[in-house]
Amino acid sequence: GAGVSQSPSNKVTEKGKDVELRCDPISGHTALYWYRQSLGQGLEFLIYFQGNSAPDKSGLPSDRFSAERTGGSVSTLTIQRTQQEDSAVYLCASSSWTSANTGELFFGEGSRLTVL
Amino acid sequence: QQPVQSPQAVILREGEDAVINCSSSKALYSVHWYRQKHGEAPVFLMILLKGGEQKGHEKISASFNEKKQQSSLYLTASQLSYSGTYFCGSGAGWGKLQFGAGTQVVVTP
Repeated sequence: GAGVSQSPSNKVTEKGKDVELRCDPISGHTALYWYRQSLGQGLEFLIYFQGNSAPDKSGLPSDRFSAERTGGSVSTLTIQRTQQEDSAVYLCASSSWTSANTGELFFGEGSRLTVL
Repeated sequence: QQPVQSPQAVILREGEDAVINCSSSKALYSVHWYRQKHGEAPVFLMILLKGGEQKGHEKISASFNEKKQQSSLYLTASQLSYSGTYFCGSGAGWGKLQFGAGTQVVVTP
């Protein structure tokens, strides 16, 4: 596909369950980002992957959150023992060296997580 | 720290102008503007890097005042397609941005 692809688009889960959210960035984009958007809030930075460098995890809100990026492409955000406050839209974005110079991030449409 | 945007929402008629402000208590090195339509991905509008620099995207322009640590986005002769939520972001790294809470813009016929 031409854009950033995220799945699932919607996920409803019960409190305490684990969830995995997937992001497929634009082909060739070396940088990948996860953001969280809670209702009525701005985008909150979670984690950033750049090439083979160690990821910047400084935005992860707790140790229940983790993310990995396999083969420099697809990324999975995992939330363990979900809580109701984890309910939000999780957005993934990617950028290339070129777009990074212009500041442009390409966002996916997000995965809406609802924790009951 | 999260930039502060104002107003929270604005309703315009087609053809009217509006200004969205973004300010920060921390020094701003760059300001990034995005627009998000309901249910869609945020879309990049522009980035401003230098003090006083202005940029444009269609009839949307922006200014950046480093000394005042603020940026303003100008919607000129608004069109229906301008409806959406506008976010400003700031940060030292390109992708690791702190975004404001957003300004919802509704343009009516």
